[in-house]
Amino acid sequence: AQKITQTQPGMFVQEKEAVTLDCTYDTSDPSYGLFWYKQPSSGEMIFLIYQGSYDQQNATEGRYSLNFQKARKSANLVISASQLGDSAMYFCAMRRNTGTASKLTFGTGTRLQVTL
Amino acid sequence: GAGVSQSPSNKVTEKGKDVELRCDPISGHTALYWYRQSLGQGLEFLIYFQGNSAPDKSGLPSDRFSAERTGGSVSTLTIQRTQQEDSAVYLCASSLVVSGGFTDTQYFGPGTRLTVL
Repeated sequence: AQKITQTQPGMFVQEKEAVTLDCTYDTSDPSYGLFWYKQPSSGEMIFLIYQGSYDQQNATEGRYSLNFQKARKSANLVISASQLGDSAMYFCAMRRNTGTASKLTFGTGTRLQVTL
Repeated sequence: GAGVSQSPSNKVTEKGKDVELRCDPISGHTALYWYRQSLGQGLEFLIYFQGNSAPDKSGLPSDRFSAERTGGSVSTLTIQRTQQEDSAVYLCASSLVVSGGFTDTQYFGPGTRLTVL
């Protein structure tokens, strides 16, 4: 079974500062993928970034980067230069990487509030 | 291009009634997923379809829940004899499935908010 743990129910960050959202995971699968999604108050889940378990380098997408530490089973999201529009719920998720479709297992989320 | 669409956006129903929720995936995406998001349970997987393979129904909470996918595209999630605990946001997602490789990222629709009175 797969499990995702997000221990920060809420975080505050000042505009233009960087923030790290924590995510740890547990799985016995040798190959897996880790995702971060953003959910603003409108409700839609927006894909941010992906990291494969065999990827040698940490994933980056614009202001988002994923700090992947495989031995520690952590996949923290780093948002640089925070903007007011970054205020939202953030979910960490994982799936088995196989040759077929595979469900996502989500954490409980972290609510990020960006302040002036 | 067009994203995943869901209808209705909101549904209010009375306990005991049946409801149907619809999902239109991104064109060309062969995998389609249903999830449920509620305050008490967070985000839960319900069911997924991939091409012509048998769906994975392992997340359906009871036999009151069923889903079908017609023509490999549109999907309908049906909840029979709704209960108050069925109140939640029902999210649909779709993805490509790369032959011989890994699935692509799941892209989500805006969800259907179901309220059972």
